[in-house]
Amino acid sequence: AQSVSQHNHHVILSEAASLELGCNYSYGGTVNLFWYVQYPGQHLQLLLKYFSGDPLVKGIKGFEAEFIKSKFSFNLRKPSVQWSDTAEYFCAVNGPPGTASKLTFGTGTRLQVTL
Amino acid sequence: DGGITQSPKYLFRKEGQNVTLSCEQNLNHDAMYWYRQDPGQGLRLIYYSQIVNDFQKGDIAEGYSVSREKKESFPLTVTSAQKNPTAFYLCASSMRTVLYGYTFGSGTRLTVV
Repeated sequence: AQSVSQHNHHVILSEAASLELGCNYSYGGTVNLFWYVQYPGQHLQLLLKYFSGDPLVKGIKGFEAEFIKSKFSFNLRKPSVQWSDTAEYFCAVNGPPGTASKLTFGTGTRLQVTL
Repeated sequence: DGGITQSPKYLFRKEGQNVTLSCEQNLNHDAMYWYRQDPGQGLRLIYYSQIVNDFQKGDIAEGYSVSREKKESFPLTVTSAQKNPTAFYLCASSMRTVLYGYTFGSGTRLTVV
């Protein structure tokens, strides 16, 4: 079965600091990868996704993520965070084949950005 | 506007009672999902349905049941057999492929006392 690990449970950064949130998955074959964000009191929203092609994908609000197949990783980055980025971030993976459209989510990382 | 509606937003039930959570979508999505969100545990899949009249168990299906009689609707029943039902429940939908990701509802917070 697929598993997804997010090792950073709670991250506190000052505004303008750079962000990198880790995501590792277990299945070594073809996967589809996602990052979702949950702002306080709001729905989960899609930040970005990777299916194929360029392993560096750009999403909304200045976020990007890099797929490194050899490391089974899909880390989320942002060069300069804003107070409004305070939220919980979830990595999700679709795969292996046979799992149809099912997504497996990580445990989430709570990001707190201070002024 | 297209989206997913979950109702109610807050639900209180006595221990030993079954309770049904509603999820309706008007996105014409084929697939629908129920996740449970607990602090520090992320989202865990309860049940999912790829097509009307068909559904599969997720990772934590015990104590839950679902039906998919209509494309738009995927209600979740939390039965008295669920040992720890107090949680935040999220419904989502997608096209049959996951190419565009999921659309999530706003969730139902169930408290069993």
